[in-house]
Amino acid sequence: GAGVSQTPSNKVTEKGKYVELRCDPISGHTALYWYRQSLGQGPEFLIYFQGTGAADDSGLPNDRFFAVRPEGSVSTLKIQRTERGDSAVYLCASSPGQGGTGELFFGEGSRLTVL
Amino acid sequence: GEDVEQSLFLSVREGDSSVINCTYTDSSSTYLYWYKQEPGAGLQLLTYIFSNMDMKQDQRLTVLLNKKDKHLSLRIADTQTGDSAIYFCAENPTYSGAGSYQLTFGKGTKLSVIP
Repeated sequence: GAGVSQTPSNKVTEKGKYVELRCDPISGHTALYWYRQSLGQGPEFLIYFQGTGAADDSGLPNDRFFAVRPEGSVSTLKIQRTERGDSAVYLCASSPGQGGTGELFFGEGSRLTVL
Repeated sequence: GEDVEQSLFLSVREGDSSVINCTYTDSSSTYLYWYKQEPGAGLQLLTYIFSNMDMKQDQRLTVLLNKKDKHLSLRIADTQTGDSAIYFCAENPTYSGAGSYQLTFGKGTKLSVIP
């Protein structure tokens, strides 16, 4: 597709459940980022992939959060034992990687609601 | 505390100029960015400025950078109702030149344009 695609757009789950959020970046973009945006806040960095490897996962809040990008394209953010505080919009972005001006191309996000 | 600070709300009349201000903390940021977020949509890069510049103009947009005071502003001339959105200032303190763009965002300024 032309832009970053995220699915699902909305996910409602119960506390304690497992959730997977998917991101399909722009074709050819080697860098992929996950951000989390809580209500009334700016996006907060979670994890950054360069190719298949997680180059920086310093933003993941705890070990319930994990992300993979096995083939260097699509990425999945996995949240175990969800808590109400995990409710937020999870944004995925991609960029060409090397060089450039640092523009990140964002998807529309996956809104997660934990009841 | 916040790395990037912005006022939360701004209201202007259609046709007037809007000025959105931002302060950041990391003097090593190579690029500084303004992103726009419309309701229900992802973030879109509006403009950026390289840290060795003090001004950049792009059609109705003017970005001013004061590195000494770590102050960034975005001026929108002839503001239109379609400019109503949330505007995020972002810095890139971890830019390495190798494609790592871990942006730090402010909380966003909600611009309301009164017809």
